[in-house]
Amino acid sequence: SQKIEQNSEALNIQEGKTATLTCNYTNYSPAYLQWYRQDPGRGPVFLLLIRENEKEKRKERLKVTFDTTLKQSLFHITASQPADSATYLCALDENRDDKIIFGKGTRLHILP
Amino acid sequence: GAVVSQHPSRVICKSGTSVKIECRSLDFQATTMFWYRQFPKKSLMLMATSNEGSKATYEQGVEKDKFLINHASLTLSTLTVTSAHPEDSSFYICSASQWGELFFGEGSRLTVL
Repeated sequence: SQKIEQNSEALNIQEGKTATLTCNYTNYSPAYLQWYRQDPGRGPVFLLLIRENEKEKRKERLKVTFDTTLKQSLFHITASQPADSATYLCALDENRDDKIIFGKGTRLHILP
Repeated sequence: GAVVSQHPSRVICKSGTSVKIECRSLDFQATTMFWYRQFPKKSLMLMATSNEGSKATYEQGVEKDKFLINHASLTLSTLTVTSAHPEDSSFYICSASQWGELFFGEGSRLTVL
């Protein structure tokens, strides 16, 4: 079955630098891949969706890439700020249907 | 964006009691809602897909009689944890889909004593 790996459980980045988070999947390429932000004790908040035919998508300081050859998505936050500190979850459709599965997330700490 | 509201945000109950969690889509109609469970530092695990007017579809390993789901209207789905036990203590989150995006409720922290 499809598996998602977010290889860093936690990541510390200095304020102002670019934070890069990685999401790898193991089997077939999903129709789309999503990134969410989750703050402690709260539900996830949708950030970006990238489709299999898109290589890159941007939204303000966020950038997501999708490489179906490497079976990988990278999530970048440029000019990072302490307020960006949160857990970021990668999610994709498990069987190219509406069922979404999530990675374990990466806890990002932006150090002032 | 669309708003999904979940209630209660926190609930503490005694073993053996039942607890109901509500999930509402406030500004859109959701024919399908999803219920997840999340343990500390773990990923969200899909428990079931709730379909308005029909039975929920449960994921493998999720007890249907334990976690009762009712989706009586296009804006409300409920999850009832029956005969709760301490191992049911967890963070439960619902979501609804609109325009290809999933919108999540705030989550409900259940503690069973």
